[in-house]
Amino acid sequence: KNQVEQSPQSLIILEGKNCTLQCNYTVSPFSNLRWYKQDTGRGPVSLTIMTFSENTKSNGRYTATLDADTKQSSLHITASQLSDSASYICVVSATAGTALIFGKGTTLSVSS
Amino acid sequence: GAVVSQHPSRVICKSGTSVKIECRSLDFQATTMFWYRQFPKQSLMLMATSNEGSKATYEQGVEKDKFLINHASLTLSTLTVTSAHPEDSSFYICSARGPDRGREDTQYFGPGTRLTVL
Repeated sequence: KNQVEQSPQSLIILEGKNCTLQCNYTVSPFSNLRWYKQDTGRGPVSLTIMTFSENTKSNGRYTATLDADTKQSSLHITASQLSDSASYICVVSATAGTALIFGKGTTLSVSS
Repeated sequence: GAVVSQHPSRVICKSGTSVKIECRSLDFQATTMFWYRQFPKQSLMLMATSNEGSKATYEQGVEKDKFLINHASLTLSTLTVTSAHPEDSSFYICSARGPDRGREDTQYFGPGTRLTVL
């Protein structure tokens, strides 16, 4: 069964600190993996996308990694800001053009 | 580019009434749009896939007669929740398959519509 598991479920950090969110998936055949940021009451916004051959992708203070062998991905946030408080969702595509498989997300709270 | 809008952003209605939610791709044509529902602290759940000019494809467990989908143009899909009940209260999000060549599975999400049924 195609599944995407994220950890931790929620996380609280102080402003300025770094954090890493995890994503494990059992999706086959694998096409690509995306990380989205979803602010409360808003739709998801894409942060990064990685295919099988890519093992790291950066977008500003966000850096995603992918290990296709172990089927794990991480999202590292550097020097967190209050505006980083949101839900971060890992989404895996089985093959191009098919439905996306969503993780439940990690809720990040950045406090001052 | 690749902006998707939804209207309304928030709606409150009485039980038994119908509510229409619009999803528009503002700067690209989308032959395929998707409708999701999201409950608090849960992930997005795909309800249906909407294809321009043809009938929508519904996911298992989603009542097609209750959630009417119309994709009459390449930039507009509508979701009508008929005879809404309090259990239909949720956050409804649409997405559109993007114009990116080689990234046919890229979806651009709208900002969502918060439906509250009293």
